[in-house]
Amino acid sequence: QVQLVESGGGVVQPGRSLRLSCAASGFTFNTRGMHWVRQAPGKGLEWVAFISYEGSKKYYVDSVKGRFSISRDSSKSTLYLQMDRLTPEDTAVYYCARDPRIFLIGSAIPYLDLWGQGTLVTVSS
Amino acid sequence: QSALTQPASVSGSPGQSITISCTGANIDVGDYKYVSWYQQYPGKAPRLLIYEVSNRPSGISNRFSGSTSDNTASLTISGLRTEDEADYYCGSYTSSGTPYVFGSGTKVTV
Repeated sequence: QVQLVESGGGVVQPGRSLRLSCAASGFTFNTRGMHWVRQAPGKGLEWVAFISYEGSKKYYVDSVKGRFSISRDSSKSTLYLQMDRLTPEDTAVYYCARDPRIFLIGSAIPYLDLWGQGTLVTVSS
Repeated sequence: QSALTQPASVSGSPGQSITISCTGANIDVGDYKYVSWYQQYPGKAPRLLIYEVSNRPSGISNRFSGSTSDNTASLTISGLRTEDEADYYCGSYTSSGTPYVFGSGTKVTV
């Protein structure tokens, strides 16, 4: 079964850190770039980060640059999002999503073709 | 980076057709053929509906169709059904720094 399953969300205090995971199955993980997208409560979707299939290219939305870090472990078919110096504005459901391109590197992201169910991150004191 | 602009809500009756617009600029919607559309039910993950302006993934009904004109993309839902009640988001590659941007979202009521 082709799927993405996020984990690691929870309640965290402002200024603290959290690491999200996204376990992939049913497809060849190390051939695809991967994304993180978030959605604040009652708000729209916001693209957060991308990592290329082999990990050499990483892109971020300006609001998380220097605080969030995307990475991957192909031996575990798992995507990560390390989130540091969290603020209440980071409160959201975080989705991982798959890039459709196979073995391609580049910032011209065409679309996101497979999504996980999401994990909720709440930043509050 | 500004989100692409969508109407907040669109409504229609069963069997009718509705169109949702997605307005960007010549650095995203107007300059590339990488516009996509996503459907999201409350409390659920988004699902890809349309990719590269007008292509449907396997399993997506042909009642959903996409097009572009200048800096505006459009999603048309034909033969509206109650199950089409959901939020719809456009998305596009953009050359303005952040490589991907979503629209502001449209709530469809049937």
